[in-house]
Amino acid sequence: DGGITQSPKYLFRKEGQNVTLSCEQNLNHDAMYWYRQDPGQGLRLIYYSQIVNDFQKGDIAEGYSVSREKKESFPLTVTSAQKNPTAFYLCASSALLPTETQYFGPGTRLLVL
Amino acid sequence: DQQVKQNSPSLSVQEGRISILNCDYTNSMFDYFLWYKKYPAEGPTFLISISSIKDKNEDGRFTVFLNKSAKHLSLHIVPSQPGDSAVYFCAAGGYGGSQGNLIFGKGTKLSVKP
Repeated sequence: DGGITQSPKYLFRKEGQNVTLSCEQNLNHDAMYWYRQDPGQGLRLIYYSQIVNDFQKGDIAEGYSVSREKKESFPLTVTSAQKNPTAFYLCASSALLPTETQYFGPGTRLLVL
Repeated sequence: DQQVKQNSPSLSVQEGRISILNCDYTNSMFDYFLWYKKYPAEGPTFLISISSIKDKNEDGRFTVFLNKSAKHLSLHIVPSQPGDSAVYFCAAGGYGGSQGNLIFGKGTKLSVKP
């Protein structure tokens, strides 16, 4: 059945380490998104991609990087430059229209050791 | 500056009564609005949406109302059930060049008491 998967569910990062969060969708959606949620906050956009091999920075892209080599996959790397990485990370996808709904994965909780 | 605001961080309602969640926006370019429901440690689930050409959209127990002149939308849940207890996010999109991008409010935590 169709959907969005994120892995792992929990991820631990050591100081100075880069970690990569996986996001895969089989909905045949063109657009994919990464959000970060902190306690008491809404969802803030990190990066988005509307087509393979192209992506754009969102509101809080510093310290993060992404790639979009396949339509189905949009991995997010949290680099050592991100000084406050502890958060709940959500991946979403949508058809490439302004009014199309975004559908979310189950999320990855990133914690710093 | 927040473009989408949910001014009530929390709301408590008795089971069977109506829940009304509110959302205000500042950008008149928004032309598509959505409500999402989110349980702790899970991804948001899409509930209902409305285009700016409408003022009401209904789906079962959920109705969204849009007042463009006031830049205000609301989600009505009738009747409220304990399983509706979650955080509800309002989102707006369809503005300008960032096609597909959504701006989210900070959420309202709804508690439905038996």
